[in-house]
Amino acid sequence: DQQVKQNSPSLSVQEGRISILNCDYTNSMFDYFLWYKKYPAEGPTFLISISSIKDKNEDGRFTVFLNKSAKHLSLHIVPSQPGDSAVYFCAASVSSGGGADGLTFGKGTHLIIQP
Amino acid sequence: DTGVSQNPRHKITKRGQNVTFRCDPISEHNRLYWYRQTLGQGPEFLTYFQNEAQLEKSRLLSDRFSAERPKGSFSTLEIQRTEQGDSAMYLCASSLFVEQYFGPGTRLTVT
Repeated sequence: DQQVKQNSPSLSVQEGRISILNCDYTNSMFDYFLWYKKYPAEGPTFLISISSIKDKNEDGRFTVFLNKSAKHLSLHIVPSQPGDSAVYFCAASVSSGGGADGLTFGKGTHLIIQP
Repeated sequence: DTGVSQNPRHKITKRGQNVTFRCDPISEHNRLYWYRQTLGQGPEFLTYFQNEAQLEKSRLLSDRFSAERPKGSFSTLEIQRTEQGDSAMYLCASSLFVEQYFGPGTRLTVT
């Protein structure tokens, strides 16, 4: 049973517009959520995170929104740039002892930025 | 560069052989994680260490998989008697807090 779901395998967005990537989770124990970006043949690169006590976190062009009641989070990228084309993974964790247990990942969304 | 490093980057082995992968975490990070990623899937958590203590190993895929972190620095992941289904990307990550930072991975191909 998938505890973290990314229902859009791919998303195409025009350069300069907003990209919105969505993620749903089922496990109420998750209290920290992260987004990673991955290029082929490389490891995932950490982008941005959010604690369950917040509903928004912003870092430059990236903003993550968390709706706990709906168990839904989204990543907004504004404006979208060609270098943003990659696979984006949503991940969730249960924090413990100042750190976290292993992350649970979704299957990813392939974002394609069209010129 | 002081990121997470993994060696080797690629490994081709014959079915039934043992393989060992190494991960060197970011130096000040006390937690180290191993994941496996197959095509079309997100990384799948296997095990993790806090310093030299292995805090979770129930998610290792079978008793053919084992991991060590003897001095709380680098870690090794061993797969004994490899099977074709073990072909995957094996990723290592390290952390000081919640955010985990990944290495480039080791691509294993079992023929």
